[in-house]
Amino acid sequence: GQSLEQPSEVTAVEGAIVQINCTYQTSGFYGLSWYQQHDGGAPTFLSYNGLDGLEETGRFSSFLSRSDSYGYLLLQELQMKDSASYFCAVSRARNTDKLIFGTGTRLQVFP
Amino acid sequence: NAGVTQTPKFRVLKTGQSMTLLCAQDMNHEYMYWYRQDPGMGLRLIHYSVGEGTTAKGEVPDGYNVSRLKKQNFLLGLESAAPSQTSVYFCASSSRDRENSPLHFGNGTRLTVT
Repeated sequence: GQSLEQPSEVTAVEGAIVQINCTYQTSGFYGLSWYQQHDGGAPTFLSYNGLDGLEETGRFSSFLSRSDSYGYLLLQELQMKDSASYFCAVSRARNTDKLIFGTGTRLQVFP
Repeated sequence: NAGVTQTPKFRVLKTGQSMTLLCAQDMNHEYMYWYRQDPGMGLRLIHYSVGEGTTAKGEVPDGYNVSRLKKQNFLLGLESAAPSQTSVYFCASSSRDRENSPLHFGNGTRLTVT
């Protein structure tokens, strides 16, 4: 079967750093993506890792280790607006028609 | 550009009724998808399309049908709604031009079946 595991909830304070982990077991793996979703809103794309290592986009970074079937999203200098749900998603092919989403991690940022 | 537009935003159905959810994208994307989102279960793929006139089943296709008669539109049909289909439905689209092109989501349709 296919499974992606993420913590259900993470809390942190403004200005802090938080890491959201994702471990996966899927039949086929091509890359790992991260999406953000605010309450009542649509998911929006944050980052993609096709190769092992760290990808940095502003305050957000994402890491992948294929050998460990593991990745994480790192959020730095947390702001209140970062309070949202974060989903990891596995691509099983070059194109996104085989994307499988994790169950999401709800991040609450406190002042 | 509007991106991905879904209609309606909200709908309440009685068990056994039918309805069609509409999705339109103006980004000339080849791929389109329908997902459902339930509490604690993330996003699950219902059906998808890799081009005009083609559709394929996703993880949870039972009870749904789709059509992609035009490249910009992707329709999701419920022939006989059941309470288990109460969910938030998201349409998304993506380009095939590069590896793992990001999905662009609509704002969702909140469906309740009583």
